[in-house]
Amino acid sequence: GENVEQHPSTLSVQEGDSAVIKCTYSDSASNYFPWYKQELGKRPQLIIDIRSNVGEKKDQRIAVTLNKTAKHFSLHITETQPEDSAVYFCAASYNSGNTPLVFGKGTRLSVIA
Amino acid sequence: KAGVTQTPRYLIKTRGQQVTLSCSPISGHRSVSWYQQTPGQGLQFLFEYFSETQRNKGNFPGRFSGRQFSNSRSEMNVSTLELGDSALYLCASSSRAVQETQYFGPGTRLLVL
Repeated sequence: GENVEQHPSTLSVQEGDSAVIKCTYSDSASNYFPWYKQELGKRPQLIIDIRSNVGEKKDQRIAVTLNKTAKHFSLHITETQPEDSAVYFCAASYNSGNTPLVFGKGTRLSVIA
Repeated sequence: KAGVTQTPRYLIKTRGQQVTLSCSPISGHRSVSWYQQTPGQGLQFLFEYFSETQRNKGNFPGRFSGRQFSNSRSEMNVSTLELGDSALYLCASSSRAVQETQYFGPGTRLLVL
């Protein structure tokens, strides 16, 4: 089955700097890659997703890139702010749309003011 | 629309007991997925229900079971509780497919003593 590895497990950046979180997946059939943000004590929320027919997607300060050949995708956050501090999870799934999401173990991002 | 709700929010049980958790999806959503979240392990998929049928199942022992009702509300049951079952149990709903935005509930925090 699919396996998703996420790095780093913790990341500290200065406010205003960029943060990059990387995930690799094992199943070349995977075609959907969402990112979820979970603030302390709150529920995970989708922040951006990308499908395999697209190499990059951007939404304001957040971008995701996908390299299908290397089977990895990354989350980029620019101009980080204290409210970006949270745990970020990547995930992957394949198919028809009904194969379960397989999540990475998460990255705890701390933005230091 | 009201968000995904879960009851109860907190639960303390002892080893050997059983527990039932409930999840009410967003109105109109027919897919409900359940996840176990523990520190360092991220979100591990338990099962997914769609239109009262289990569509996907993760790698958890048979002590973990679930069901979905005609109104899309879902329950999960854990029998013969073990200490290692202590975790945050999250459910998420989506309209139809797993590859749509998953809307998470606040979770039920289960502590097994």
